[in-house]
Amino acid sequence: DAGVIQSPRHEVTEMGQEVTLRCKPISGHNSLFWYRQTMMRGLELLIYFNNNVPIDDSGMPEDRFSAKMPNASFSTLKIQPSEPRDSAVYFCASRPGYNEQFFGPGTRLTVL
Amino acid sequence: AQSVTQLGSHVSVSEGALVLLRCNYSSSVPPYLFWYVQYPNQGLQLLLKYTTGATLVKGINGFEAEFKKSETSFHLTKPSAHMSDAAEYFCAVTAFNAGGTSYGKLTFGQGTILTVHP
Repeated sequence: DAGVIQSPRHEVTEMGQEVTLRCKPISGHNSLFWYRQTMMRGLELLIYFNNNVPIDDSGMPEDRFSAKMPNASFSTLKIQPSEPRDSAVYFCASRPGYNEQFFGPGTRLTVL
Repeated sequence: AQSVTQLGSHVSVSEGALVLLRCNYSSSVPPYLFWYVQYPNQGLQLLLKYTTGATLVKGINGFEAEFKKSETSFHLTKPSAHMSDAAEYFCAVTAFNAGGTSYGKLTFGQGTILTVHP
């Protein structure tokens, strides 16, 4: 198994642009999580999906952030418009049932 | 509600010395506890986990941790440090309950950066 796949690995964009981050979870995992990691705030959970349905989006910072999971093998996290304070590493993780989470390699986002 | 406190944001040891990274947690329901390791520019990799049963759990790369309910601790140890152990380590807690109010959301500590000197 290839593990959790995230793309792109690095993204540099200018303030105001739309950014879309992509995640392919491990096949058979029914839960998917999006996290953000910064030096100041550490690892923060943004949103959690179970069986493709958003269950908890209380960590989404504001309306500029949105996430979708149209099927069991794909999820996106979109930021529109992006701001410099959104610069961070964004991780996707998936989980089979009640077990540990498996993390992707992350997307390093820089908003200029 | 759950929380995790990792004591010491930086720990430095000599190669061959004991590694001890401290983690204390709070949880209103029986916890599941995890240690993850993050190497530079990589994602988090699971080192070990405690769910139920034996309180001393062994993980990869020679690490182990002991769940102590009375002390609400889950400290990570390794008898002899290698240079390759240099990384950031995260303790995390989660819980599941029959009421469905806890779906296994992971709460992470702030991380401990381990430096290993030759």
